[in-house]
Amino acid sequence: GENVEQHPSTLSVQEGDSAVIKCTYSDSASNYFPWYKQELGKRPQLIIDIRSNVGEKKDQRIAVTLNKTAKHFSLHITETQPEDSAVYFCAANPDSGGYQKVTFGTGTKLQVIP
Amino acid sequence: ETGVTQTPRHLVMGMTNKKSLKCEQHLGHNAMYWYKQSAKKPLELMFVYNFKEQTENNSVPSRFSPECPNSSHLFLHLHTLQPEDSALYLCASSHQGTSRDGYGYTFGSGTRLTVV
Repeated sequence: GENVEQHPSTLSVQEGDSAVIKCTYSDSASNYFPWYKQELGKRPQLIIDIRSNVGEKKDQRIAVTLNKTAKHFSLHITETQPEDSAVYFCAANPDSGGYQKVTFGTGTKLQVIP
Repeated sequence: ETGVTQTPRHLVMGMTNKKSLKCEQHLGHNAMYWYKQSAKKPLELMFVYNFKEQTENNSVPSRFSPECPNSSHLFLHLHTLQPEDSALYLCASSHQGTSRDGYGYTFGSGTRLTVV
């Protein structure tokens, strides 16, 4: 089955700086890579995703890059703000015949220091 | 609310009790999922239902029993649990489709379960 590794497990940055979270996956059949943000005591929420036919995707201060050859993908947050503080999960998802079968990384706790 | 509602939000149960967790979605999704979230562990997929049919059982102990009466409702029946089963149980739903369609999950708020 799929195995997703995520680094770092914790990350502290000063407000305004950039944050980068990196993930690797093992199953070459995976072709959809969502990222979820989970604030303390709240549900995980999809913040951005990327499909295997795209190398990079950007949404305002958030961007995701994908290197299918190396089987790794990264989340980039620029101009970080205190409200970016949360746990971020990467995930990988192969085609599963009509439903999602997502494997999550272990999460990165991001702390943005004002 | 995001359209996926879980009840109860918190549950404390003894090891001999029987209880059920409920999940309801009004998003028109066809697939529903149970995930377990423990401290310092990745989200663990437990069960997948696609159009009411169970398509995945990720080696979950039989003390967890899912039920999906229709595409909008999902239950997790619990009996004779162990203290190590204490965790946040998250329900999610998604559109049917291959990952090429790339629909992400919508999660519920979860049930915080404590087994004493």
